[in-house]
Amino acid sequence: GAVVSQHPSWVICKSGTSVKIECRSLDFQATTMFWYRQFPKQSLMLMATSNEGSKATYEQGVEKDKFLINHASLTLSTLTVTSAHPEDSSFYICSASSAVGDYGYTFGSGTRLTVV
Amino acid sequence: KNQVEQSPQSLIILEGKNCTLQCNYTVSPFSNLRWYKQDTGRGPVSLTIMTFSENTKSNGRYTATLDADTKQSSLHITASQLSDSASYICVVRGATNKLIFGTGTLLAVQP
Repeated sequence: GAVVSQHPSWVICKSGTSVKIECRSLDFQATTMFWYRQFPKQSLMLMATSNEGSKATYEQGVEKDKFLINHASLTLSTLTVTSAHPEDSSFYICSASSAVGDYGYTFGSGTRLTVV
Repeated sequence: KNQVEQSPQSLIILEGKNCTLQCNYTVSPFSNLRWYKQDTGRGPVSLTIMTFSENTKSNGRYTATLDADTKQSSLHITASQLSDSASYICVVRGATNKLIFGTGTLLAVQP
């Protein structure tokens, strides 16, 4: 079955530093990848949608200069949280979708980011 | 407005018992509906996916139903196990690639 690998599973960083989170589709080509943010006891909130080879589309209220998304290949997308602050601490989850097959919307295992 | 509402918000049951979670949606047009299980600190894992023409679908002890006319879905868990303790999320896809997430039902199975 479709597998999406997300790395790291957790990260602690100092305020002001940048953190990169990777999302890989292991056995299928992901034409579209999605990045979500989830606060405790809340549902997933879509941050941005990225299609391979093109710029990401950000949801309203999400700062594109703070959350840099790169989708350079059909199997890898990265989210970089730049100049992280404590309020950026959250659970970040990616998902991947293929234009063919029925993999659609397989989620990664998530990354717990804590900014201290 | 496209919305997905779930009930109850939380549920506590004893191990071995059955339970049913509800999902009502107003997403239109409708493409498909998925139920996901999300363990604490993990990403959601798909349980079932149903399209407009499907009324019921099972995956082991999980059985999902869909009534596209009333825009309601349910997830029935049979013979609950401690490992079923998790958040269950109803997710509806409309005309676009975006998913509309429900607020989830937090299930706790106690011994």
